[in-house]
Amino acid sequence: EVQLVESGGGLVKPGGSLRLSCAASGFTFSSYSMNWVRQAPGKGLEWVSSISSSSSYIYYADSVKGRFTISRDNAKNSLYLQMNSLRAEDTAVYYCARHGDYVRAFDYWGQGTLVTVSS
Amino acid sequence: QSALTQPASVSGSPGQSITISCTGTSSDVGSYNLVSWYQQHPGKAPKLMIYEVSKRPSGVSNRFSGSKSGNTASLTISGLQAEDEADYYCCSYAGSSTLFGGGTKLTVL
Repeated sequence: EVQLVESGGGLVKPGGSLRLSCAASGFTFSSYSMNWVRQAPGKGLEWVSSISSSSSYIYYADSVKGRFTISRDNAKNSLYLQMNSLRAEDTAVYYCARHGDYVRAFDYWGQGTLVTVSS
Repeated sequence: QSALTQPASVSGSPGQSITISCTGTSSDVGSYNLVSWYQQHPGKAPKLMIYEVSKRPSGVSNRFSGSKSGNTASLTISGLQAEDEADYYCCSYAGSSTLFGGGTKLTVL
């Protein structure tokens, strides 16, 4: 069974940093592109970043470019999101999502971890 | 990187059909057959319902169907059921980024 479990969320002050993790199991993690998608309270989904299976290709939304860094450790079946210079508008539930290979879409999602940026 | 445009809300009675539109541009929806749709119930993670414009993942009811014409994609739900009440989001590949729609709240009357 495919499982994605996010962790690392919490309360942080504006300008601060946080590192999110996503532990994957139930599939060959190293074969899939992975993504972070966020959802501000009461708002819609926003794609944040993606990383290819071997980390060769990395993309970011304009809203986080230069502040967030996506990475992965295929030996540990883990995905990360380093978030720096956090702003109030970064407050959201952050989801880890797998991009399918045959099914070309976000086919599995984690339960999300809440990041709150507030003084 | 502008969001795709969806109606804020739609509604229908049990047994009826509804369609949710998703309008993008020639740089995203219009250029790629990589439109997907997600269902999200309150407090839950999104669930993939349609991928590559019109394909259904295993386990998704055939009451859900997708299509695309030009820069607009559509999700149709036929035979509405109470459990279909949720938020629905479209999503499109856009080259080096991915765009979501603003979401549509479906109310089953």
